Amino acid sequence: QQPVQSPQAVILREGEDAVINCSSSKALYSVHWYRQKHGEAPVFLMILLKGGEQKGHDKISASFNEKKQQSSLYLTASQLSYSGTYFCGSHGTQGAQKLVFGQGTRLTINP
Amino acid sequence: KAGVTQTPRYLIKTRGQQVTLSCSPISGHRSVSWYQQTPGQGLQFLFEYFSETQRNKGNFPGRFSGRQFSNSRSEMNVSTLELGDSALYLCASSPRGLAGITDTQYFGPGTRLTVL
Repeated sequence: QQPVQSPQAVILREGEDAVINCSSSKALYSVHWYRQKHGEAPVFLMILLKGGEQKGHDKISASFNEKKQQSSLYLTASQLSYSGTYFCGSHGTQGAQKLVFGQGTRLTINP
Repeated sequence: KAGVTQTPRYLIKTRGQQVTLSCSPISGHRSVSWYQQTPGQGLQFLFEYFSETQRNKGNFPGRFSGRQFSNSRSEMNVSTLELGDSALYLCASSPRGLAGITDTQYFGPGTRLTVL
Protein backbone atom coordinates (compact mmCIF):
# COMPACT_ATOMS: atom_id res chain seq x y z
CA GLN A 1 0.00 0.00 0.00
CA GLN A 2 1.26 3.43 -1.00
CA PRO A 3 2.64 5.62 1.83
CA VAL A 4 0.85 8.95 2.29
CA GLN A 5 2.91 12.11 2.21
CA SER A 6 1.96 15.45 3.67
CA PRO A 7 1.80 18.19 2.77
CA GLN A 8 1.32 17.73 -0.97
CA ALA A 9 3.00 21.03 -1.68
CA VAL A 10 4.74 23.74 0.29
CA ILE A 11 6.17 27.14 -0.63
CA LEU A 12 8.87 28.71 1.50
CA ARG A 13 11.25 31.61 1.47
CA GLU A 14 14.96 30.88 1.49
CA GLY A 15 16.14 30.29 5.05
CA GLU A 16 12.86 28.89 6.37
CA ASP A 17 12.42 25.36 7.69
CA ALA A 18 10.23 22.60 6.27
CA VAL A 19 8.95 19.24 7.47
CA ILE A 20 7.64 16.56 5.14
CA ASN A 21 5.82 13.58 6.60
CA CYS A 22 5.45 10.05 5.28
CA SER A 23 2.90 7.73 6.89
CA SER A 24 1.83 4.17 6.26
CA SER A 25 -1.12 2.11 7.42
CA LYS A 26 1.13 -0.94 7.35
CA ALA A 27 4.26 -1.64 9.38
CA LEU A 28 7.37 -0.08 7.92
CA TYR A 29 10.72 -1.81 7.84
CA SER A 30 12.67 0.87 6.06
CA VAL A 31 12.08 4.29 4.55
CA HIS A 32 13.97 5.78 1.62
CA TRP A 33 13.93 9.48 0.77
CA TYR A 34 14.56 10.83 -2.72
CA ARG A 35 14.43 14.29 -4.29
CA GLN A 36 13.52 14.92 -7.90
CA LYS A 37 14.12 18.24 -9.60
CA HIS A 38 11.96 19.16 -12.55
CA GLY A 39 13.02 17.24 -15.65
CA GLU A 40 15.63 15.22 -13.78
CA ALA A 41 15.90 11.76 -12.26
CA PRO A 42 15.12 11.17 -8.59
CA VAL A 43 18.26 11.40 -6.45
CA PHE A 44 18.82 9.43 -3.26
CA LEU A 45 18.92 11.37 0.00
CA MET A 46 18.95 8.79 2.79
CA ILE A 47 17.67 5.46 4.07
CA LEU A 48 16.32 4.84 7.56
CA LEU A 49 15.78 1.43 9.08
CA LYS A 50 13.36 0.60 11.86
CA GLY A 51 14.64 1.50 15.27
CA GLY A 52 13.68 5.16 15.47
CA GLU A 53 17.03 6.37 14.26
CA GLN A 54 17.61 9.80 12.91
CA LYS A 55 19.94 10.51 10.04
CA GLY A 56 21.09 13.60 8.32
CA HIS A 57 23.67 15.37 6.32
CA ASP A 58 24.18 19.07 5.89
CA LYS A 59 20.86 20.66 6.83
CA ILE A 60 18.61 17.80 5.76
CA SER A 61 17.75 15.16 8.32
CA ALA A 62 15.07 12.54 8.83
CA SER A 63 13.55 10.47 11.57
CA PHE A 64 11.74 7.14 11.56
CA ASN A 65 9.14 6.32 14.19
CA GLU A 66 8.43 2.63 13.87
CA LYS A 67 5.51 2.66 16.33
CA LYS A 68 3.75 5.47 14.53
CA GLN A 69 4.66 3.97 11.15
CA GLN A 70 5.87 7.37 10.13
CA SER A 71 8.97 9.08 8.85
CA SER A 72 9.63 12.80 8.70
CA LEU A 73 12.12 14.72 6.58
CA TYR A 74 13.45 17.98 8.05
CA LEU A 75 14.95 20.71 5.89
CA THR A 76 16.59 23.40 7.97
CA ALA A 77 17.41 26.89 6.73
CA SER A 78 16.27 25.89 3.26
CA GLN A 79 18.31 26.87 0.22
CA LEU A 80 17.12 27.51 -3.32
CA SER A 81 18.72 24.22 -4.34
CA TYR A 82 16.30 22.33 -2.08
CA SER A 83 13.42 22.99 -4.48
CA GLY A 84 11.99 19.86 -6.03
CA THR A 85 9.61 17.01 -5.35
CA TYR A 86 10.42 14.78 -2.39
CA PHE A 87 9.40 11.14 -2.38
CA CYS A 88 9.45 8.65 0.42
CA GLY A 89 9.61 4.97 -0.43
CA SER A 90 8.99 2.10 1.93
CA HIS A 91 9.75 -1.57 2.33
CA GLY A 92 6.89 -3.03 4.29
CA THR A 93 8.72 -6.12 5.46
CA GLN A 94 12.30 -7.37 5.55
CA GLY A 95 13.07 -9.00 2.27
CA ALA A 96 10.07 -7.44 0.56
CA GLN A 97 11.33 -6.99 -2.94
CA LYS A 98 9.32 -3.94 -3.72
CA LEU A 99 9.84 -0.29 -2.94
CA VAL A 100 6.52 1.55 -2.76
CA PHE A 101 6.68 5.32 -3.12
CA GLY A 102 4.40 8.03 -1.78
CA GLN A 103 2.79 10.48 -4.16
CA GLY A 104 5.43 13.12 -3.53
CA THR A 105 5.65 16.55 -1.88
CA ARG A 106 6.47 19.52 -4.08
CA LEU A 107 8.76 21.99 -2.30
CA THR A 108 9.31 25.45 -3.77
CA ILE A 109 11.92 27.74 -2.26
CA ASN A 110 11.70 31.38 -3.25
CA PRO A 111 14.45 34.01 -2.76
CA LYS B 1 31.47 5.89 -13.13
CA ALA B 2 28.83 6.43 -15.77
CA GLY B 3 25.28 6.74 -14.50
CA VAL B 4 22.15 4.92 -15.54
CA THR B 5 21.24 5.62 -19.15
CA GLN B 6 17.87 5.24 -20.82
CA THR B 7 16.98 5.34 -24.49
CA PRO B 8 15.16 6.86 -26.13
CA ARG B 9 14.52 9.95 -24.01
CA TYR B 10 11.29 10.83 -25.79
CA LEU B 11 8.83 8.74 -27.71
CA ILE B 12 5.51 9.42 -29.39
CA LYS B 13 3.30 6.50 -30.33
CA THR B 14 -0.32 5.97 -31.26
CA ARG B 15 -2.88 3.77 -29.57
CA GLY B 16 -2.51 0.10 -30.38
CA GLN B 17 1.19 0.26 -31.16
CA GLN B 18 3.87 -1.34 -29.06
CA VAL B 19 7.03 0.18 -27.67
CA THR B 20 10.37 -1.00 -26.29
CA LEU B 21 12.39 1.06 -23.85
CA SER B 22 16.00 0.38 -22.92
CA CYS B 23 17.96 0.85 -19.72
CA SER B 24 21.69 0.43 -19.14
CA PRO B 25 22.56 0.19 -15.44
CA ILE B 26 25.66 1.40 -13.67
CA SER B 27 28.56 -0.94 -14.30
CA GLY B 28 28.57 -3.73 -11.74
CA HIS B 29 24.92 -3.34 -10.80
CA ARG B 30 22.94 -6.52 -11.29
CA SER B 31 19.49 -5.21 -10.47
CA VAL B 32 17.28 -3.07 -12.67
CA SER B 33 13.88 -1.86 -11.54
CA TRP B 34 11.30 -0.08 -13.65
CA TYR B 35 8.84 2.58 -12.50
CA GLN B 36 6.02 4.48 -14.14
CA GLN B 37 5.66 8.11 -13.11
CA THR B 38 2.49 10.10 -13.75
CA PRO B 39 1.26 13.33 -12.16
CA GLY B 40 -1.71 11.64 -10.56
CA GLN B 41 -0.18 8.37 -9.38
CA GLY B 42 3.40 9.31 -8.58
CA LEU B 43 6.08 6.65 -8.85
CA GLN B 44 4.64 3.18 -9.34
CA PHE B 45 6.72 0.02 -9.32
CA LEU B 46 6.52 -2.07 -12.49
CA PHE B 47 9.03 -4.87 -11.99
CA GLU B 48 12.56 -5.72 -10.98
CA TYR B 49 15.12 -7.88 -12.74
CA PHE B 50 18.17 -9.37 -11.10
CA SER B 51 20.66 -11.53 -12.97
CA GLU B 52 18.25 -11.96 -15.90
CA THR B 53 15.37 -13.11 -13.67
CA GLN B 54 12.26 -11.16 -12.81
CA ARG B 55 12.17 -11.06 -9.02
CA ASN B 56 9.02 -9.08 -8.41
CA LYS B 57 6.21 -7.45 -10.30
CA GLY B 58 3.89 -4.56 -9.54
CA ASN B 59 0.16 -4.32 -10.26
CA PHE B 60 0.28 -3.66 -13.97
CA PRO B 61 -1.48 -5.58 -16.76
CA GLY B 62 0.31 -8.21 -18.78
CA ARG B 63 0.81 -5.70 -21.60
CA PHE B 64 3.80 -4.53 -19.61
CA SER B 65 6.74 -6.90 -19.79
CA GLY B 66 10.47 -6.78 -19.54
CA ARG B 67 13.66 -8.71 -19.74
CA GLN B 68 17.27 -8.44 -18.70
CA PHE B 69 20.32 -9.49 -20.62
CA SER B 70 23.51 -11.10 -19.39
CA ASN B 71 25.24 -7.71 -19.34
CA SER B 72 22.47 -6.45 -16.98
CA ARG B 73 20.96 -4.15 -19.58
CA SER B 74 17.21 -4.27 -19.44
CA GLU B 75 14.37 -3.62 -21.81
CA MET B 76 10.75 -2.89 -21.06
CA ASN B 77 8.00 -3.56 -23.58
CA VAL B 78 4.46 -2.24 -23.64
CA SER B 79 2.10 -3.78 -26.17
CA THR B 80 -1.23 -2.46 -27.43
CA LEU B 81 -0.61 1.03 -26.11
CA GLU B 82 -3.43 2.94 -24.44
CA LEU B 83 -3.75 6.67 -23.84
CA GLY B 84 -3.29 6.06 -20.13
CA ASP B 85 0.18 4.64 -20.74
CA SER B 86 1.49 8.14 -21.37
CA ALA B 87 4.03 8.67 -18.61
CA LEU B 88 7.64 9.04 -17.68
CA TYR B 89 9.22 5.60 -17.41
CA LEU B 90 12.17 5.45 -15.07
CA CYS B 91 14.59 2.67 -14.49
CA ALA B 92 16.84 2.36 -11.47
CA SER B 93 19.82 0.16 -10.84
CA SER B 94 21.45 -1.06 -7.66
CA PRO B 95 24.07 -3.64 -6.72
CA ARG B 96 21.82 -6.09 -4.90
CA GLY B 97 18.41 -4.80 -5.78
CA LEU B 98 15.27 -4.36 -3.73
CA ALA B 99 15.94 -7.47 -1.63
CA GLY B 100 18.91 -5.58 -0.22
CA ILE B 101 16.82 -3.15 1.73
CA THR B 102 19.63 -0.71 2.33
CA ASP B 103 20.59 -0.56 -1.34
CA THR B 104 20.37 2.85 -2.94
CA GLN B 105 18.39 3.01 -6.14
CA TYR B 106 20.20 5.02 -8.83
CA PHE B 107 17.66 6.37 -11.27
CA GLY B 108 18.11 7.10 -14.95
CA PRO B 109 16.73 10.26 -16.62
CA GLY B 110 13.67 8.43 -17.88
CA THR B 111 11.87 7.96 -21.18
CA ARG B 112 8.92 10.27 -21.76
CA LEU B 113 6.26 8.26 -23.62
CA THR B 114 3.33 10.05 -25.20
CA VAL B 115 0.49 7.96 -26.60
CA LEU B 116 -1.79 9.75 -29.07
